[in-house]
Amino acid sequence: GQQVMQIPQYQHVQEGEDFTTYCNSSTTLSNIQWYKQRPGGHPVFLIQLVKSGEVKKQKRLTFQFGEAKKNSSLHITATQTTDVGTYFCAGHSGAGSYQLTFGKGTKLSVIP
Amino acid sequence: EAQVTQNPRYLITVTGKKLTVTCSQNMNHEYMSWYRQDPGLGLRQIYYSMNVEVTDKGDVPEGYKVSRKEKRNFPLILESPSPNQTSLYFCASSNGGGPREQYFGPGTRLTVT
Repeated sequence: GQQVMQIPQYQHVQEGEDFTTYCNSSTTLSNIQWYKQRPGGHPVFLIQLVKSGEVKKQKRLTFQFGEAKKNSSLHITATQTTDVGTYFCAGHSGAGSYQLTFGKGTKLSVIP
Repeated sequence: EAQVTQNPRYLITVTGKKLTVTCSQNMNHEYMSWYRQDPGLGLRQIYYSMNVEVTDKGDVPEGYKVSRKEKRNFPLILESPSPNQTSLYFCASSNGGGPREQYFGPGTRLTVT
C-alpha cells in the first residue's frame, strides 16, 4: 500500500531559527495536506496542495509540492514559541482510492 | 458552531467487552473517517466513509467495525476489544466525497486492560 515517509521525527530549534519538515510518498499523489497538532490537541488542517510544483505561503509558513507530486515540504521562517507542535503531512493518491495516508509527523520544539 | 464531536472522551474497559465510540458532525460533510494515533506511529486510518452506506477499510481495520446509516454519524465499534487497541482515536470529516480538508474531533482516549 501507499506509504508516506516524513523526516525528521524531531526538531529542536532556537526561537528565531528556521524549520523544515519533508514528506516523501511511495506513489504519485493526487493531493497532499498538512496538519498541525498542538500538545494535547487534535490535528488542525493547514493547507492542501494539488498542482505539480505548487508553492503556497501562509505568513511565515511555506508549503511546496514536488514536480513529480511525490514529495512535499513545510518551511517555517523565524520560528516562534507558538509554532510548537507536531506537523503531519497526509497524502491522497486518488485513482479511485479515498484513503488518506499520514506521515508519522515531525515534532517541533522551540527553545525561547 | 461547525464541529465534530466524539463520545466518550475517555474510556477504560476490559478485554472482550463490546464498546462503541460515537462521532457526529454538523457540517453536512460526505466524507468521514476514523484514525488511531499511537506514539511514534502517527495517525493511521482505520475506516472511512464516502457517504451514507458507503464505507471502506483504511490501513488498520482489523478488530474494528463501522456503520454509516446517517450522514452526520459515523460510530466506531470494537466488538471484542484487546489491549493492543489501547490508543487515542480521532474522528474526522470533510466536504465532498473524498479526503479533502479534514475537520477532526477532540479525540477519545481508550484504555483496554
